[in-house]
Amino acid sequence: QVQLVESGGGLVKPGGSLRLSCAASGFTFSDYYMSWIRQAPGKGLEWVSYISSSGSTIYYADSVKGRFTISRDNAKNSLYLQMNSLRAEDTAVYYCARENIALYYGMDVWGQGTTVTVSS
Amino acid sequence: DIQMTQSPSSVSASVGDRVTITCRASQGISSWLAWYQQKPGKAPKLLIYAASSLQSGVPSRFSGSGSGTDFTLTISSLQPEDFATYYCQQANSFRIFTFGPGTKVDIK
Repeated sequence: QVQLVESGGGLVKPGGSLRLSCAASGFTFSDYYMSWIRQAPGKGLEWVSYISSSGSTIYYADSVKGRFTISRDNAKNSLYLQMNSLRAEDTAVYYCARENIALYYGMDVWGQGTTVTVSS
Repeated sequence: DIQMTQSPSSVSASVGDRVTITCRASQGISSWLAWYQQKPGKAPKLLIYAASSLQSGVPSRFSGSGSGTDFTLTISSLQPEDFATYYCQQANSFRIFTFGPGTKVDIK
């Protein structure tokens, strides 16, 4: 079935780095744009980054620009988020989601999320 | 950047009630708006796209309307499984996909 599975979350000290992965299955990954979205504890959803199907177009939220890097490997059906210079305010559950152009870029498939905690 | 607001921030309702949630964009976004439902500890679920199109598998008691800057999500007859937090999200600005702050629907 259509599925996204995130991994790579954990506890990291301020200033540290972490790389999140999102494994896609059940659909042609290379046909879809993808996004990372996060949710801090008890807070709302915050869009983090977006990558086009080929990887040629990338956008970031101002809050992570210059620190986070999104990438994808279509041969491995995988999406990544390299997070550097992490701050306490980056603590959140991180979700990957499929952007469906046919649905006006509605995010129609989500992973279960992976938790990132930034603390000393 | 386009900012999204939602009202109310929370609403208490009973099973069978009609519930309406409003979302407003700081500038016109045509029909580039989606609505999501999120239950505690779960990933969000797409309910409505293109402001008024019902996602496959979503019950018909959910409906969306609006265009430009003002949008509405309506639940015609609230069911027990509908108690959740609802978010709007704009996709007009392809550089940033902003979410609204959310509306929590809980039991009266």
